[in-house]
Amino acid sequence: RKEVEQDPGPFNVPEGATVAFNCTYSNSASQSFFWYRQDCRKEPKLLMSVYSSGNEDGRFTAQLNRASQYISLLIRDSKLSDSATYLCVVNKRDSSYKLIFGSGTRLLVRP
Amino acid sequence: EPEVTQTPSHQVTQMGQEVILRCVPISNHLYFYWYRQILGQKVEFLVSFYNNEISEKSEIFDDQFSVERPDGSNFTLKIRSTKLEDSAMYFCASLGQGSKTQYFGPGTRLLVL
Repeated sequence: RKEVEQDPGPFNVPEGATVAFNCTYSNSASQSFFWYRQDCRKEPKLLMSVYSSGNEDGRFTAQLNRASQYISLLIRDSKLSDSATYLCVVNKRDSSYKLIFGSGTRLLVRP
Repeated sequence: EPEVTQTPSHQVTQMGQEVILRCVPISNHLYFYWYRQILGQKVEFLVSFYNNEISEKSEIFDDQFSVERPDGSNFTLKIRSTKLEDSAMYFCASLGQGSKTQYFGPGTRLLVL
């Protein structure tokens, strides 16, 4: 079983749509959770950390369910510039703090 | 805003040749990483480095790979004898003390012919 699993997409939505991405992780020792965004042939960039209580940053809302080992990202009022691959990322509290990436969910926002 | 830089942006090499990928992490960060991403695949952890030594390495990071922090600013990844399957984007990342956010450099695209 993959450590972090995501629906690869692509999700093809019109501007203004609301879109939700889901992610599951297999290791219950996972400590920290993130959504990164990756544009084509670019480096991953942190979109937001995910907290147990859920958190919001403008049009983006992230949720974490530790019992189900499930993470979600909701994008409201999607913009053309939101087109990218969204990476679900976890790490464990260990000596290295290495990140474990999902394969990413590709989003295409069309005019 | 401070950023991680990497050189070169692209590297083409012949199979069996040695390559050195260079990174300058954010200046006050203490944890350093190399990740790679084969085209069309996910980002994979290679190695982490803290306090001048490797803190963890993955199965990918075999004897052909080594890392070094030769001075106070550079962090390098060396591949001694490149293979075709080493072709990938290599990302350097750094992490500050007490932080959870790793910052990634723009990557080096390595092509082994």
